Amino acid sequence: DQQVKQNSPSLSVQEGRISILNCDYTNSMFDYFLWYKKYPAEGPTFLISISSIKDKNEDGRFTVFLNKSAKHLSLHIVPSQPGDSAVYFCAAIRNSNYQLIWGAGTKLIIKP
Amino acid sequence: GAGVSQSPRYKVAKRGQDVALRCDPISGHVSLFWYQQALGQGPEFLTYFQNEAQLDKSGLPSDRFFAERPEGSVSTLKIQRTQQEDSAVYLCASSLGGGNQPQHFGDGTRLSIL
Repeated sequence: DQQVKQNSPSLSVQEGRISILNCDYTNSMFDYFLWYKKYPAEGPTFLISISSIKDKNEDGRFTVFLNKSAKHLSLHIVPSQPGDSAVYFCAAIRNSNYQLIWGAGTKLIIKP
Repeated sequence: GAGVSQSPRYKVAKRGQDVALRCDPISGHVSLFWYQQALGQGPEFLTYFQNEAQLDKSGLPSDRFFAERPEGSVSTLKIQRTQQEDSAVYLCASSLGGGNQPQHFGDGTRLSIL
């Protein structure tokens, strides 16, 4: 039973446009969410996070939106750059516990 | 470097052999985590250390898996009598504290059991 779901295995976006990566969760006890980026043969790299008491967090080109009633979050990348091509993982923490629960990832491809 | 270091990067072993995977966390990081990542999936939690204390080993799939961090720094994940289903990437992460502190990952060890 997957508690964190990333339903799009892959996404292709034109360079310069907006990339929107989606994530759904089922456990209402999750109170913190994180996005990680992963290049092939490397470990995941932390990108941005959001607490459940907020609905938006922004860091440069990256913005995460949280819709608690829909149990949905999204990562927006504007503008998309070739170096953004990677696999993006959504992860959640329950009750400020340390244990990350991960989605299966979405492969983002930025086309020149 | 200043990041999390894992060795070896790749390990091939025959079924039934024992393997040991090493993790060097970021200096000063109290918390250390081990994850298992199967192909096409997100990482799955194995175990958590705070300094030298193993506070959570609920994710270890069987008693063939054993982890230690005797001096609160370097950690070793040991898998005894390996089986084919143990083939995966094993990721180590560290963080300054527990809770919501972002975890910083090493590049992983890709383990293949023949």
